[in-house]
Amino acid sequence: EAGVTQSPTHLIKTRGQQATLRCSPISGHTSVYWYQQALGLGLQFLLWYDEGEERNRGNFPPRFSGRQFPNYSSELNVNALELEDSALYLCASSPDRYQPQHFGDGTRLSIL
Amino acid sequence: AQRVTQPEKLLSVFKGAPVELKCNYSYSGSPELFWYVQYSRQRLQLLLRHISRESIKGFTADLNKGETSFHLKKPFAQEEDSAMYYCALSNFGNEKLTFGTGTRLTIIP
Repeated sequence: EAGVTQSPTHLIKTRGQQATLRCSPISGHTSVYWYQQALGLGLQFLLWYDEGEERNRGNFPPRFSGRQFPNYSSELNVNALELEDSALYLCASSPDRYQPQHFGDGTRLSIL
Repeated sequence: AQRVTQPEKLLSVFKGAPVELKCNYSYSGSPELFWYVQYSRQRLQLLLRHISRESIKGFTADLNKGETSFHLKKPFAQEEDSAMYYCALSNFGNEKLTFGTGTRLTIIP
């Protein structure tokens, strides 16, 4: 089966710009999760989408937002980019909230 | 607030020796605990979860609520165990999974 795919692989932006990251889950998976992995920190939970709805979000400001489309793919939007937003952003999917998550390779976002 | 602490950033163990990766957590309630692993050039993947009580690749982990720990153990290390290991916690299933900062395990031949 095709795994979770994320695009782009790398993204370079400047402060104040907006970034859009995309995630395609494994076929049949309806739950999509977003995580941020900043240098020296563990993965931090950002957002969880299921069946097109935002189900939960982590302790991040509102400029981090996203959505899930009818085909269950998802995008993460980060507005008013700040230097500390530089990180690896991982997407994961699962058939439901109980089954193990499958992770993508991530998008590395660099803010100059 | 829920928190996961992995006190060792790096751990080196000789092949055939026992392995123990430490994980401590803080959580008010009954958490679900997980271990995730990332092998070189591979994606992060679930290794085991405490509710399934199974041994994966020879690894086991026991949830100790008194000590709030979920240490990962293997009696005899193998070279293919070299990887980055993350302990994680949730309140229920995959909801708001909180990860530790990880331990890089290196098995010395």
